[in-house]
Amino acid sequence: KAGVTQTPRYLIKTRGQQVTLSCSPISGHRSVSWYQQTPGQGLQFLFEYFSETQRNKGNFPGRFSGRQFSNSRSEMNVSTLELGDSALYLCASRPAGDRGTEAFFGQGTRLTVV
Amino acid sequence: AQSVTQPDIHITVSEGASLELRCNYSYGATPYLFWYVQSPGQGLQLLLKYFSGDTLVQGIKGFEAEFKRSQSSFNLRKPSVHWSDAAEYFCAVGGAGGSYIPTFGRGTSLIVHP
Repeated sequence: KAGVTQTPRYLIKTRGQQVTLSCSPISGHRSVSWYQQTPGQGLQFLFEYFSETQRNKGNFPGRFSGRQFSNSRSEMNVSTLELGDSALYLCASRPAGDRGTEAFFGQGTRLTVV
Repeated sequence: AQSVTQPDIHITVSEGASLELRCNYSYGATPYLFWYVQSPGQGLQLLLKYFSGDTLVQGIKGFEAEFKRSQSSFNLRKPSVHWSDAAEYFCAVGGAGGSYIPTFGRGTSLIVHP
């Protein structure tokens, strides 16, 4: 079974630009969550999508948005990039049901804003 | 609200020595508990999980963890550390049901001396 796939692995963007990151979950998983990881703040939850609907949302500005497609693949978009958005962005997929809190992570997308 | 505390930011051990990483959680009901490991620039890999039953759980790579409800703890242990265990370790707590997003601790960085 293929794991969670994130593309691209690395990105360099300029301040003010926008960026889109992609995540393909494990086959059969309908929940996709996004996290931002920085040395200072640790792992911070951005949002979660389940069956194409945003089910949970963290405390991030509206510049951070996402969506999920019918095949469960998800994209995350950050508009008007700031230097502080430089981070490792991790995607995690989870199975449905009572054991659904077990998250499976992708390798992440390293975003550098210059 | 659920929370996780990993009191040690860094832990340094010698190769071959035993290891214990501490994790304390706050959760109103029976928690689902997890330990993840992250190598530099990579995603998080699940080491082990506790849902119910035996409070001593075995994981991959020779790790084990013990759930102690009275102490709200879920400490990770390994009897003999290998140099390849050097990584960041994250404890997480979640609840039953897929709608509950797991909460992660800030992580403990393990340094292994030869």
